[in-house]
Amino acid sequence: TQLLEQSPQFLSIQEGENLTVYCNSSSVFSSLQWYRQEPGEGPVLLVTVVTGGEVKKLKRLTFQFGDARKDSSLHITAAQTGDTGLYLCAGRKVGNQGGKLIFGQGTELSVKP
Amino acid sequence: NAGVMQNPRHLVRRRGQEARLRCSPMKGHSHVYWYRQLPEEGLKFMVYLQKENIIDESGMPKERFSAEFPKEGPSILRIQQVVRGDSAAYFCASSPYRASSSYEQYFGPGTRLTVT
Repeated sequence: TQLLEQSPQFLSIQEGENLTVYCNSSSVFSSLQWYRQEPGEGPVLLVTVVTGGEVKKLKRLTFQFGDARKDSSLHITAAQTGDTGLYLCAGRKVGNQGGKLIFGQGTELSVKP
Repeated sequence: NAGVMQNPRHLVRRRGQEARLRCSPMKGHSHVYWYRQLPEEGLKFMVYLQKENIIDESGMPKERFSAEFPKEGPSILRIQQVVRGDSAAYFCASSPYRASSSYEQYFGPGTRLTVT
């Protein structure tokens, strides 16, 4: 069973469309991060959210942390072909004294011109 | 400001050989994490180390795998007597903090291990 469920797993859209990726869990997280990974490379950190209800914006990307800190979403406005990639959510569970991150299985986004 | 460095980027080993993967954290970072990404699977935590200490190895296979982060030099992930199932991308991440609420990890480019 996956502790962090991402949906959808695959998403193919046209340039200019909007999209939302979801990251859900039944567990509470003290912090949650979103990463983007390109083929053959490591994940690149996009944002960290730590407070329930928090909303962060990064240009056309909007990240939200659920009030109960069990879920998060990534919304992209007016997608561009350069947004194509694998988007990963990762969280650190409450009570975890160590540093390990639990990853979702990822959302493969393809933006077509 | 150099990021997390990993080498080699690609490593091919025959079954039964040893694989050594190296990771140099970002400047100023004293905490290192290793993750494995198997084909068609997500990233899975393996081990968390500080200088000369293993903090959490709950994700490490019980046999053949070991990790260290010496006082001087890079962190090493060592896999003895590799098998085909060890073929994967191995990522190292580093952070400047111990567990804190605004905790962040920065990843290296990974080492792609292929066992033939």
